Amino acid sequence: SSELTQDPAVSVALGQTVRITCQGDSLRRYYASWYQQKPGQAPILVMYSKNSRPSGIPDRFSGSSSGNTASLTITGAQAEDEADYYCNSRISSGHLYVFGTGTKVTVL
Amino acid sequence: QLQLQESGPGLVKPSETLSLTCSVSGGSITSTNYYWGWIRQPPGKGLEWIGSIYYSGNTYYNPSLQSRVTISVDASKNQFSLNLTSVTAADTAVFYCASLKYSTSRYFDYWGQGTLVTVSP
Repeated sequence: SSELTQDPAVSVALGQTVRITCQGDSLRRYYASWYQQKPGQAPILVMYSKNSRPSGIPDRFSGSSSGNTASLTITGAQAEDEADYYCNSRISSGHLYVFGTGTKVTVL
Repeated sequence: QLQLQESGPGLVKPSETLSLTCSVSGGSITSTNYYWGWIRQPPGKGLEWIGSIYYSGNTYYNPSLQSRVTISVDASKNQFSLNLTSVTAADTAVFYCASLKYSTSRYFDYWGQGTLVTVSP
């Protein structure tokens, strides 16, 4: 299958830890990248290469991968982390791409 | 730092062709480190990869759209473009252009602000 499946929604108390998962066969071969999207805004890259953060992304964001599952963890979630999160991966021969179904994170 | 900006009509009639251009600044579209991609997002829905192009013209398309999509590059203008033919209301979406880092890992590191294209008579 070329799909990437994410939980539709998760919630986390302010300052607590939340893990967002992404499942798909392609993740056994390729790393996932992760994107944060706030309402009315373009997505921004928050994680790539399993556990690399672009400049400017807080270190409370971390990534991991095992088998067919990639995870994005927010340790000490802040109100500004409330957003939709999408994973992405190469599929097939490595030149095609697919986005995950998206997870809405609510910070309580 | 790369900056990308989409441009094109915000309204397209059904059965016609949607055409958008992405202007790249802060770097060269002929960089060997990048492909260039189009992604769309229907209102209230998730992201969908449309396709990607290398400066040499190598293209890869989403199989679900391949019969209707053409992506091209104009290195002289530092731009790349999207054509989507025979559009229907289902093609109404915000269209984003993005840079696709081409290394051992692949990821969309810079995005345009997006442009809403509505398909309506």
